[in-house]
Amino acid sequence: DAGITQSPRYKITETGRQVTLMCHQTWSHSYMFWYRQDLGHGLRLIYYSAAADITDKGEVPDGYVVSRSKTENFPLTLESATRSQTSVYFCASSDWGGNQPQHFGDGTRLSIL
Amino acid sequence: AQTVTQSQPEMSVQEAETVTLSCTYDTSESDYYLFWYKQPPSRQMILVIRQEAYKQQNATENRFSVNFQKAAKSFSLKISDSQLGDAAMYFCAYRSALRGNEKLTFGTGTRLTIIP
Repeated sequence: DAGITQSPRYKITETGRQVTLMCHQTWSHSYMFWYRQDLGHGLRLIYYSAAADITDKGEVPDGYVVSRSKTENFPLTLESATRSQTSVYFCASSDWGGNQPQHFGDGTRLSIL
Repeated sequence: AQTVTQSQPEMSVQEAETVTLSCTYDTSESDYYLFWYKQPPSRQMILVIRQEAYKQQNATENRFSVNFQKAAKSFSLKISDSQLGDAAMYFCAYRSALRGNEKLTFGTGTRLTIIP
């Protein structure tokens, strides 16, 4: 099915562990994004990518790493998880230009104990 | 940097009535796009409506319409004939029209409750 898929939907881990959140889209959109959603902050941009092998920092990039070797995939890695990274994470994609909206995955709820 | 402000953390409305959610933004750009997204309890982010800054006409999608006041940097969402399924968090978002600046800047959201 066409769309954007995030996995896992829920994840519990411990501080200091490495965690990777997966994002896959089937539209061949140029742009992909990672946001985190926290109460009182709305959604904040972590990293984004304009194309394969092109990534850039967003508003809150510290503690996160991304890669984009293929257009359709944009994984987000927490190299050493901290409790402050407990959040709901959304991946999104969009085409370039005009008023193209971003299409969001269903989110990953990540809890770090 | 652009900022988006939603000053109403919570709103409630009687079913079948009309409600308006407020959004203001700050930018030095003249060309941009504005969006309203809905997030029901299922956590999905659903696009409700979009507005191009260069268009004077307010966007409308069925029961949803916006009041876009460019000079005042205001972008409110009006929901007519409110239904129980409209209960959700609503986020206002800004996007630059500059190429390479495709990211969205979100407000903090307004939680809308529908009273039966």
